[in-house]
Amino acid sequence: DTEVTQTPKHLVMGMTNKKSLKCEQHMGHRAMYWYKQKAKKPPELMFVYSYEKLSINESVPSRFSPECPNSSLLNLHLHALQPEDSALYLCASSQIPGGPTDTQYFGPGTRLTVL
Amino acid sequence: AQSVAQPEDQVNVAEGNPLTVKCTYSVSGNPYLFWYVQYPNRGLQFLLKYITGDNLVKGSYGFEAEFNKSQTSFHLKKPSALVSDSALYFCAVRLGLGSSNTGKLIFGQGTTLQVKP
Repeated sequence: DTEVTQTPKHLVMGMTNKKSLKCEQHMGHRAMYWYKQKAKKPPELMFVYSYEKLSINESVPSRFSPECPNSSLLNLHLHALQPEDSALYLCASSQIPGGPTDTQYFGPGTRLTVL
Repeated sequence: AQSVAQPEDQVNVAEGNPLTVKCTYSVSGNPYLFWYVQYPNRGLQFLLKYITGDNLVKGSYGFEAEFNKSQTSFHLKKPSALVSDSALYFCAVRLGLGSSNTGKLIFGQGTTLQVKP
């Protein structure tokens, strides 16, 4: 089973709201990722957690705050977002970060709209 | 710099005909290459990967890809296209071991495949 789940599927929020995106995997993967994707564009990496520690932050604005409470869960906390942050937010996981055969498996995404 | 190019924004093919979606790459060291497919309003779905070994890689749903080191290409192919194959396809390269960006995927811009009945 290569399932990554994400909640909620859709989220509409105002610029002053605080919300969180959730991602979960039960494949025993030790790396988890957040991506942002605009329509018909490739995903843009935001954060990587490796063995529950933040290993890559792609210079993401502080209004996005990741959290990895345990090896199965990944959260993305949102605060004071801008309309241009509206996008599909994808979570992914992989077994061994950077291992020779490592493959990222993606969740279905959360469609975020910022008003 | 590491990069992936998908030269075609869109590929149109008739159902039952063979299809090819092109990808070329530029990396230092050994390339780890991937193909993903994305259906509308869905996440990316892994199709296949090349790590080492046989240059012809077989993946899900009848797709295969041919790794060509001399041409630095990794084209996705299928012998007989289905209407349900219509989707957005991404080629990606993963930085190899020892890089400070280990695990990071570099994506191409994507190619929309349209299969018409």
